[in-house]
Amino acid sequence: QVQLVESGGAVVQPGGSLILSCSASRFSFSNYDMHWVRQAPGKGLEWVAFIRYDGSNKDYADSVRGRFIISRDNSKNTLYLLMNSLRTEDTAVYYCVKDGGSIAATGYYFDYWGQGTLVTVSS
Amino acid sequence: DIQMTQSPSTLSASVGDRVTITCRASQSISSWLAWYQQKPGKAPKLLIYKASILESGVPSRFSGSGSGTEFTLTISSLQPDDFATYYCQHHNSFSYTFGQGTKVEVK
Repeated sequence: QVQLVESGGAVVQPGGSLILSCSASRFSFSNYDMHWVRQAPGKGLEWVAFIRYDGSNKDYADSVRGRFIISRDNSKNTLYLLMNSLRTEDTAVYYCVKDGGSIAATGYYFDYWGQGTLVTVSS
Repeated sequence: DIQMTQSPSTLSASVGDRVTITCRASQSISSWLAWYQQKPGKAPKLLIYKASILESGVPSRFSGSGSGTEFTLTISSLQPDDFATYYCQHHNSFSYTFGQGTKVEVK
């Protein structure tokens, strides 16, 4: 069974930076596109960022573009999210998510989710 | 941007009821729609993608239908484990818009 384990969530001040990690196992990580999706407390789901299986293509939600960077290390089966210039509205549980597609085509839907890591931006 | 609107926001039902949740897109999205179930404190779980394809392991009481701008998720006979919040999501070509969610609660 696919396993995704996030880490790195913390309380950080506005304007600060944080890096989230996601350790993937029990599937061929290097063959799949990956995403980060977040959920503010008591709110709905918001897609944050996408990275192609080989890192060749990335995309971001408008709300984080220019501040967040998604990356991956296929040799370590690990996905990352570097978050800069954090704002209070970035407070959320961040989920590492596997794309439901394949090398041939991105599915743009999410078939496996990690348990999430909480990022709180507060002074 | 394409907007996704779910209705109702909350649905009260009893075990054994047939439950239907609607998701409407602000413009045609063909069949590029997924449905997720989320329980409190847990990560969402994929139920259906491409409007009607049941994810492996999901009980057959769940079904999805629709195309274009109107879609439905149906639970044929609500079970105790099904009380949760359900989200639709447009999935295609760098579009990942979620609906606002429908909470299915005990009547």
